[in-house]
Amino acid sequence: DQQVKQNSPSLSVQEGRISILNCDYTNSMFDYFLWYKKYPAEGPTFLISISSIKDKNEDGRFTVFLNKSAKHLSLHIVPSQPGDSAVYFCAVPDQTGANNLFFGTGTRLTVIP
Amino acid sequence: DSGVTQTPKHLITATGQRVTLRCSPRSGDLSVYWYQQSLDQGLQFLIQYYNGEERAKGNILERFSAQQFPDLHSELNLSSLELGDSALYFCASSVAVGEYNEQFFGPGTRLTVL
Repeated sequence: DQQVKQNSPSLSVQEGRISILNCDYTNSMFDYFLWYKKYPAEGPTFLISISSIKDKNEDGRFTVFLNKSAKHLSLHIVPSQPGDSAVYFCAVPDQTGANNLFFGTGTRLTVIP
Repeated sequence: DSGVTQTPKHLITATGQRVTLRCSPRSGDLSVYWYQQSLDQGLQFLIQYYNGEERAKGNILERFSAQQFPDLHSELNLSSLELGDSALYFCASSVAVGEYNEQFFGPGTRLTVL
């Protein structure tokens, strides 16, 4: 039973343009959301997060937007760079407090030079 | 470099066999998590240990077991291996549990069952 869903397995964007990656979640009780980035042959690395009390969090070129009524979050990358080419996962922490994460299936972003 | 190490990087074995994957967490991190990533799947949480004690269980098969040792390293044991067990296995660590703590992932062990 997927707690978070990423319906786009892949996305291609021209360098310099905006990349928008989407994620839907099922449980309105989730209070924290994360994005991880994964390069081939490496483990996922934390990118950016957002608390449910906010609707936007920005860190440099990366911005995460949260729409609680739609149970939807998105990651915007502006401007996109070739080094951003990776798989992006959205994730939510287990609500029992154990701190393990539920991950989406990921979106592979390719930034074309 | 996340500071989390995993060995081996690659493992090729046959069905029915047993393997052990090893993880050393970041210095100071008490909590260790194991995740499985199968083809075209997101990371699936398997099990978590905190300071030597099992803390949470996810979608872990009965054929799989784990433990965390006094020096805080952890091992994931996979037995009676099946073709479907072929996957990437990631270990992650964090400082504690409770309030959300960022998890740092190792590079993973790629298991191939032939």
